[in-house]
Order: sequence, then C-alpha cells, then structure tokens
Amino acid sequence: GAGVSQSPSNKVTEKGKDVELRCDPISGHTALYWYRQSLGQGLEFLIYFQGNSAPDKSGLPSDRFSAERTGGSVSTLTIQRTQQEDSAVYLCASSLMGGGTDTQYFGPGTRLTVL
Amino acid sequence: RKEVEQDPGPFNVPEGATVAFNCTYSNSASQSFFWYRQDCRKEPKLLMSVYSSGNEDGRFTAQLNRASQYISLLIRDSKLSDSATYLCVVINEDGNKLVFGAGTILRVKS
Repeated sequence: GAGVSQSPSNKVTEKGKDVELRCDPISGHTALYWYRQSLGQGLEFLIYFQGNSAPDKSGLPSDRFSAERTGGSVSTLTIQRTQQEDSAVYLCASSLMGGGTDTQYFGPGTRLTVL
Repeated sequence: RKEVEQDPGPFNVPEGATVAFNCTYSNSASQSFFWYRQDCRKEPKLLMSVYSSGNEDGRFTAQLNRASQYISLLIRDSKLSDSATYLCVVINEDGNKLVFGAGTILRVKS
C-alpha cells in the first residue's frame, strides 16, 4: 500500500512568511510524528499525535510552530513568520498504534529553505 | 551531554570488510532501541530493532547492553550498497518519541 506522503517536497520562502507543510500518514495509522533534520544535524522530535490529539508537543522550538491533525489522518505543520534557522528537512512519520515497539515509517520529507 | 551519542565516523572500508558502530544513550528508562539507515537526501528507514539477547539479520548483528547503556551494530562482508548513514535510535520511557543519534557515515569502496 501507499506509504507516508508529504507535500510540498520542496519549499522556498522569504523570511517572515508563513508556511504550511502537509503529511498524509499510512492509512489506518493512528500515531503521527513530526521531526526535523537540519544540515549536518541529527533528527529532532517536534510533536506527536495520537488520533487528533497531541499529548507531546515538547519538541516544538517556539510558539511560531503549530500543528494540527484532523479526522485522525492528515496533519499540517505551520510555521509562522519563518526565520532562516527554520531551514531544514521536515519529516513526518506514522505508526499503527504508537508506543515503543511500533515501527515508525517516514515520509520523504519537505525541504524548507528560508531566504 | 546528548541523549544518544554515536561514533562520529566517517568509516571508509573496502568491500568485504567487517565494520562495527557503537552508540551510547543517557536515559536509563529508555525502552526500545533501533538502528535506522538513511541514504543521502532520503528519509530514514528502519534497519533493525535491537534486543537485549542480541539479534542478527543476515550480515547485520545488533547488540544491546542495558547495564552499560550501549548499543552496537556489526556489518559483515560489507557491500557497496551498505554505504549510508546509520542512525542509532532510542525510544523514551513514554514510548512515543524517537531520539536519534547524529549518525555515523559508512562509505564502502571497491
């Protein structure tokens, strides 16, 4: 079946603009995760959804970042007033149930460049 | 101190070599452990889970030492296609957040 998909694959924006990144998880997966990977850095956890609720928002770097998930499926990560340090690859993952033994499957990512 | 630390690499090895990567984690309450593989400009993909008893998948062997909070990955008979970044990953105690090491680059050369 289809894997995790993300759009757009690439986004170039000007500093100060808002951007929305979309994630379509694998059908039937209840858990959804957002991570980001900056150049030369490891992956950094941002937020986790179980269904439509986000029990763990601890990784969001500032209040310019927000995320929502509707219908237990699609999720949108919004970055307001983008800054150059927001440039990174934003990766979404989903898993069937969530939890420590459940494999997370990653999407191809959105490469965000803030000029 | 980072939660997950890995050998910095890069490891440059000839085809057929055996290579080992190490990883340490700081949170003793971590509950699950994995190795992921990431090819250049691609998403991470699960390579294998790591169990206390050790586990093997073909040419790949993973070991976990909970007492020392240490994880290893051994690759035997390296292939050119093994060239990638290998990410040590730990799941925190609430079972949801993957914590990634910075990765170790492996380059297998003919």
